[in-house]
Amino acid sequence: ETGVTQTPRHLVMGMTNKKSLKCEQHLGHNAMYWYKQSAKKPLELMFVYSLEERVENNSVPSRFSPECPNSSHLFLHLHTLQPEDSALYLCASSQDRGQGNEKLFFGSGTQLSVL
Amino acid sequence: AQTVTQSQPEMSVQEAETVTLSCTYDTSESDYYLFWYKQPPSRQMILVIRQEAYKQQNATENRFSVNFQKAAKSFSLKISDSQLGDAAMYFCAYRSRETSGSRLTFGEGTQLTVNP
Repeated sequence: ETGVTQTPRHLVMGMTNKKSLKCEQHLGHNAMYWYKQSAKKPLELMFVYSLEERVENNSVPSRFSPECPNSSHLFLHLHTLQPEDSALYLCASSQDRGQGNEKLFFGSGTQLSVL
Repeated sequence: AQTVTQSQPEMSVQEAETVTLSCTYDTSESDYYLFWYKQPPSRQMILVIRQEAYKQQNATENRFSVNFQKAAKSFSLKISDSQLGDAAMYFCAYRSRETSGSRLTFGEGTQLTVNP
């Protein structure tokens, strides 16, 4: 265990559903991230929160909506997804000191299938 | 924009042998960080080793070491005395020193199989 917990582990949803992915970190970190991992493709950074403020949004479609209510919790709200959104969604956290070599701690991901 | 390339989608090694995973990257920056992350079947990515570009000495962590060639923009990972638990997907990653936060650029990964 790395101290980052993601739920659910698996999720199957229809294109008209609304669901949320949850991430919780128990490490006292000040930054949290959402990554998308698709087969045969590099991990894509979706969102970055530092000190609970969104500091990066990498041109992600509006059908993905992040929420960071406090430094320990991160959500990804999903609605009207497309089949190409099926992927492993990974949450990560780090203690951002502005030095660049900070270690990321990852959760086990949510495997999402959109039907 | 920076890119990271892992040209070996799959590699295999016999238990107790040594294997080297390749990684090249493209950047115009002079100061940056490089990482190798491991993703076992549990899906939880774990940092294996990291290298700071301004350090000439290659990083080493127990059985894991890197061969960092800055001029060639190459960052390979060597695993010595391979163990069954080393079987995983390995990702090379780059991060600029100039930006805040840990915005990593990842390669596509190399699936390592360890044969008993």
